[in-house]
Amino acid sequence: GQQLNQSPQSMFIQEGEDVSMNCTSSSIFNTWLWYKQDPGEGPVLLIALYKAGELTSNGRLTAQFGITRKDSFLNISASIPSDVGIYFCAGHDDAGNMLTFGGGTRLMVKP
Amino acid sequence: NAGVMQNPRHLVRRRGQEARLRCSPMKGHSHVYWYRQLPEEGLKFMVYLQKENIIDESGMPKERFSAEFPKEGPSILRIQQVVRGDSAAYFCASSPWVGQIMGATNEKLFFGSGTQLSVL
Repeated sequence: GQQLNQSPQSMFIQEGEDVSMNCTSSSIFNTWLWYKQDPGEGPVLLIALYKAGELTSNGRLTAQFGITRKDSFLNISASIPSDVGIYFCAGHDDAGNMLTFGGGTRLMVKP
Repeated sequence: NAGVMQNPRHLVRRRGQEARLRCSPMKGHSHVYWYRQLPEEGLKFMVYLQKENIIDESGMPKERFSAEFPKEGPSILRIQQVVRGDSAAYFCASSPWVGQIMGATNEKLFFGSGTQLSVL
């Protein structure tokens, strides 16, 4: 089946630093989404990308849909303590009925 | 502004008992998805339902697991004769129907807070 590989698996950074994480796929997706999950909660949608090459921002977050449609990255600028959590990429292809999730990147921010 | 509601938040069962997890989608949403998350892992798709229909159950174990989304009431994920390996967080998500005429897909999922199932 389809697989999404996220890297890094975890990051421990200083408050104020920029963060970058990415997601690669063994197959093409037509939509990429990035979610954040806080402890004990469900994932919350951050950014959705619909076109290859698309670059989209949401506040301090920026995400891009790779040209090959097999990858995406998420950047967080000037990190703050509330950015702590697990970030998941998810891909959707029009042939399927569900989102396929990556394994997550656990972000820890030191004040 | 009610989101996706799941209950219970925590469920403890002994091996061999039945677990029933409930999910009420967001108002106006007619599509429900169930995902399972093991500790330190991502979410794995289980089943996709519309009202009174199972659309895709390719991620659901063939035995002991079933799901329904009746015309009235919440969606139910039922696990019979639970085993320790069923311990996980179970998340429900819903999405609106956007219509095939527009060429859009219902990929934006809104998740509930999950049910943490612990099997003793």
